[in-house]
Amino acid sequence: AQSVTQPDIHITVSEGASLELRCNYSYGATPYLFWYVQSPGQGLQLLLKYFSGDTLVQGIKGFEAEFKRSQSSFNLRKPSVHWSDAAEYFCAAMIKAAGNKLTFGGGTRVLVKP
Amino acid sequence: DGGITQSPKYLFRKEGQNVTLSCEQNLNHDAMYWYRQDPGQGLRLIYYSQIVNDFQKGDIAEGYSVSREKKESFPLTVTSAQKNPTAFYLCASSTPHREGNQPQHFGDGTRLSIL
Repeated sequence: AQSVTQPDIHITVSEGASLELRCNYSYGATPYLFWYVQSPGQGLQLLLKYFSGDTLVQGIKGFEAEFKRSQSSFNLRKPSVHWSDAAEYFCAAMIKAAGNKLTFGGGTRVLVKP
Repeated sequence: DGGITQSPKYLFRKEGQNVTLSCEQNLNHDAMYWYRQDPGQGLRLIYYSQIVNDFQKGDIAEGYSVSREKKESFPLTVTSAQKNPTAFYLCASSTPHREGNQPQHFGDGTRLSIL
């Protein structure tokens, strides 16, 4: 079955430190991949997306993600986190033939220490 | 500004009642989606619709119903058959596949609680 896994439920990071969030997918073919961010009580905002081509993708708010086919991974990174980056982050995947339906990982909640 | 509007933001339901959550979009998107979010479980797809007057069940459709009479609107009814309706409900929309590269846009959600 198709699935998306985010191994880390919570991550705590100090302000100014780097951040990496892990995402692994299990699909028969390479899916389209997305990272979304959700602030408490809010909807989801798209950070970045990967369809094909360059495996390092730049997104909004200083985030980037790297697609690694050999590891079935699409990890999200930020070199220096700000207190405003505290939120929940979701990795999602979609197969073109599957009606544009997204499959989400369970999410990673990021806490930022001053 | 274009976007997705979900209302109300908070909704309370008595046991045995049906309630309807509103989702309206002015993005001219053809496809619309309803997700349920529970703590620690990510988002799960309830129903989706790719065109007007057509919709399909998602992964957890039992106890829910939808309609798609207008392109802009995709209301979700939580029926009394849904035994555990307390959750955060998110509506999304997108343009359907041409090159398969249109991400979904989300509303701000409705939090449903049982009284």
